[in-house]
Amino acid sequence: IAGITQAPTSQILAAGRRMTLRCTQDMRHNAMYWYRQDLGLGLRLIHYSNTAGTTGKGEVPDGYSVSRANTDDFPLTLASAVPSQTSVYFCASSDSPGGERFFGPGTRLTVL
Amino acid sequence: DAKTTQPPSMDCAEGRAANLPCNHSTISGNEYVYWYRQIHSQGPQYIIHGLKNNETNEMASLIITEDRKSSTLILPHATLRDTAVYYCIVRVAIGNAGNMLTFGGGTRLMVKP
Repeated sequence: IAGITQAPTSQILAAGRRMTLRCTQDMRHNAMYWYRQDLGLGLRLIHYSNTAGTTGKGEVPDGYSVSRANTDDFPLTLASAVPSQTSVYFCASSDSPGGERFFGPGTRLTVL
Repeated sequence: DAKTTQPPSMDCAEGRAANLPCNHSTISGNEYVYWYRQIHSQGPQYIIHGLKNNETNEMASLIITEDRKSSTLILPHATLRDTAVYYCIVRVAIGNAGNMLTFGGGTRLMVKP
């Protein structure tokens, strides 16, 4: 069982470009999340999904969009990347919103 | 979610118990105390959580004071691999509010040989 996988591992992106970060879980968890972590700081919630077909906004949703077409996948899209979106992005899942959260290995994104 | 206060850093000798404190004086009755840790460059890892009773699992023990305004995470025999940032988080565990798992600065624990 892989748990949660994220792709790519890292990416350098020119400002203004569109980018989709991929996240897949094989635990059949209902809830999934996207966080960003800036250097030396804690994680901040971007978007979440309690179940397939639903999504919600977290603390810092601006500039990001998500979709949840099925249980396993929860892609995060930056429509037009800006340098302030340079960060490490973590995807997570849990069997319920209050349940233990399992995190992926992260995607390191640099926007120039 | 109630705010938490943790010391920014702590040291612990290998093999000794590591006691990580957390203050959450504004915690409300339906809020749980969660602990996660983040080893360098990895995603956070769940450790333990509790409401008001002390809890123990294979990783750690969680001691919550009777008034629930503070708690301590105990790693009974710290190893070098326990070096990480430890996050204390207080939140409700049900409904949409459970999504707002808010990570603060945490405590950077350094286990030394």
